[in-house]
Amino acid sequence: KQEVTQIPAALSVPEGENLVLNCSFTDSAIYNLQWFRQDPGKGLTSLLLIQSSQREQTSGRLNASLDKSSGRSTLYIAASQPGDSATYLCAASNSGYALNFGKGTSLLVTP
Amino acid sequence: GAVVSQHPSWVICKSGTSVKIECRSLDFQATTMFWYRQFPKQSLMLMATSNEGSKATYEQGVEKDKFLINHASLTLSTLTVTSAHPEDSSFYICSGGQGDNEQFFGPGTRLTVL
Repeated sequence: KQEVTQIPAALSVPEGENLVLNCSFTDSAIYNLQWFRQDPGKGLTSLLLIQSSQREQTSGRLNASLDKSSGRSTLYIAASQPGDSATYLCAASNSGYALNFGKGTSLLVTP
Repeated sequence: GAVVSQHPSWVICKSGTSVKIECRSLDFQATTMFWYRQFPKQSLMLMATSNEGSKATYEQGVEKDKFLINHASLTLSTLTVTSAHPEDSSFYICSGGQGDNEQFFGPGTRLTVL
């Protein structure tokens, strides 16, 4: 079964810093990997989806990379803002099946 | 992106009662829907997979007779928590997709069982 781990569990940075969130997965035969944002008590907002054939995806200040051979993905957030404060979830999907989620990284960006 | 709705967004019920949660794909047909559960400070855990027109597949440890799933159409799946107890209090989230494509998540339903 696919196991997904996220490091760190929590992160606090001052506004304006660039930061990296890490995600690792045990089964390299993934179909795709998604990064989500979850605000307290809310549902999920999809940030980036990387298919297994891709190495990275970018959306605005966000960049996600995928290295299947090492079982790792990173989410890079440039010029962080207080509005970026949330929990970020990484999830890996094997073909035709549901997502396996990590426990998330709780991010706090201070003004 | 595609939109998935859930209803209700929150529900409070007494122990022993049943609660139905609806998950709808608003602008696409979801051949497969997934139901997840999230306890406080925990990540999402898959409960079951439902395919339109067939029986749901439940994850290990999830009681199929307690969590009834119906996926009668390509745009609607329902989760019924039967004889709910306080330990069933959780955040329930559904997602819909088409085959192996990207999953789109609903906003979630907060269930509190008194």
